[in-house]
Amino acid sequence: GQQLNQSPQSMFIQEGEDVSMNCTSSSIFNTWLWYKQDPGEGPVLLIALYKAGELTSNGRLTAQFGITRKDSFLNISASIPSDVGIYFCAGQLSSNFGNEKLTFGTGTRLTIIP
Amino acid sequence: SAVISQKPSRDICQRGTSLTIQCQVDSQVTMMFWYRQQPGQSLTLIATANQGSEATYESGFVIDKFPISRPNLTFSTLTVSNMSPEDSSIYLCSVEDYGELFFGSGTQLSVL
Repeated sequence: GQQLNQSPQSMFIQEGEDVSMNCTSSSIFNTWLWYKQDPGEGPVLLIALYKAGELTSNGRLTAQFGITRKDSFLNISASIPSDVGIYFCAGQLSSNFGNEKLTFGTGTRLTIIP
Repeated sequence: SAVISQKPSRDICQRGTSLTIQCQVDSQVTMMFWYRQQPGQSLTLIATANQGSEATYESGFVIDKFPISRPNLTFSTLTVSNMSPEDSSIYLCSVEDYGELFFGSGTQLSVL
């Protein structure tokens, strides 16, 4: 089946640094999503991408849908303590979310060093 | 956005017993999903629960082990049956609402 590999698996950064993480797939997806999970909570959607090459921002977060449709990138600028958590990418074959399950990536755990 | 209440938030259970997890949504939704998140791992879909029909299970998950109920458009339960330590995970309920997937805060299950 499809697999989504995220890298890095974990990151230790200082407050104010920029963060980059990516997600690669063995097959094509038509929708890419990025979620953040805080401890003891369920994942929350950060950014949704629906078109190859699309670049979308949400505040300090920017995500891109790779041209090959097999990868996606998430950047966080000027990190702050509340950015700590686990970031998951998710892919979907359909370009219209609704009736199709998501495949989740392996996650990137972000830790901010004081 | 849909607000999901999931309970219990955590439980410690003995092997061989069963636990039923409840998921309540503040609005009517067509599709509800149950996910498992094993320690340090990603989310894996267990099944999709639609009101009025049997749940659809993903490969590797069976109804005898994870029976699901969906009596109405705002509520669902997942039972983890005949538990073993390998069932220790976070179980998450989610719903699709206006094109976005919302998650409950999860049930942290530990099986001794």
